[in-house]
Amino acid sequence: GAVVSQHPSRVICKSGTSVKIECRSLDFQATTMFWYRQFPKQSLMLMATSNEGSKATYEQGVEKDKFLINHASLTLSTLTVTSAHPEDSSFYICSARDGSRTDNEQFFGPGTRLTVL
Amino acid sequence: AQSVTQLGSHVSVSEGALVLLRCNYSSSVPPYLFWYVQYPNQGLQLLLKYTSAATLVKGINGFEAEFKKSETSFHLTKPSAHMSDAAEYFCAVSEGTGANNLFFGTGTRLTVIP
Repeated sequence: GAVVSQHPSRVICKSGTSVKIECRSLDFQATTMFWYRQFPKQSLMLMATSNEGSKATYEQGVEKDKFLINHASLTLSTLTVTSAHPEDSSFYICSARDGSRTDNEQFFGPGTRLTVL
Repeated sequence: AQSVTQLGSHVSVSEGALVLLRCNYSSSVPPYLFWYVQYPNQGLQLLLKYTSAATLVKGINGFEAEFKKSETSFHLTKPSAHMSDAAEYFCAVSEGTGANNLFFGTGTRLTVIP
């Protein structure tokens, strides 16, 4: 149980295009989902937290107009990187919390490698 | 505010030797603590977690960790390293029931030498 999927696993796009990444909880209801960014050989940097049906809460320094997050259902959150540039190239990981649990555990997706040419 | 310090960005051990990965935390309330493992180009997998029950926590793949409040530590150990243990390990803390965020340490890369 508690499986989170991400799609796509890898994406290569041209500078200036937009890319959408999907994060799905497959067997539980994710009341809260998180989006992280990870640079090579570094830790995870929390970008934003989203609760189902609410606007996402962005961390300081993360451009909300650049990284659009939608959490329209209890099993799906999307991250759209708008007008992507090479500096947006990174590994993006989503995670989800099961609303029926109280242990704060987050279940992580397998990540999406974004390369912007 | 919460924070996590992982001492040693790289740890190398011989196959069959003890693995010890260090994690110290700061938290203003009783914390929940987690160890995650990440293999190359993959997401994070939970190894074990402490949520205010037994202070010695056993996880998957033979790993365990002990919560020591007096030392604000949650070090990860495994008696005998296996080649498949080579990966990146992250310690994380969250404050109390219902808290949303996890705060991650900077990670420790474990290398296992045959």
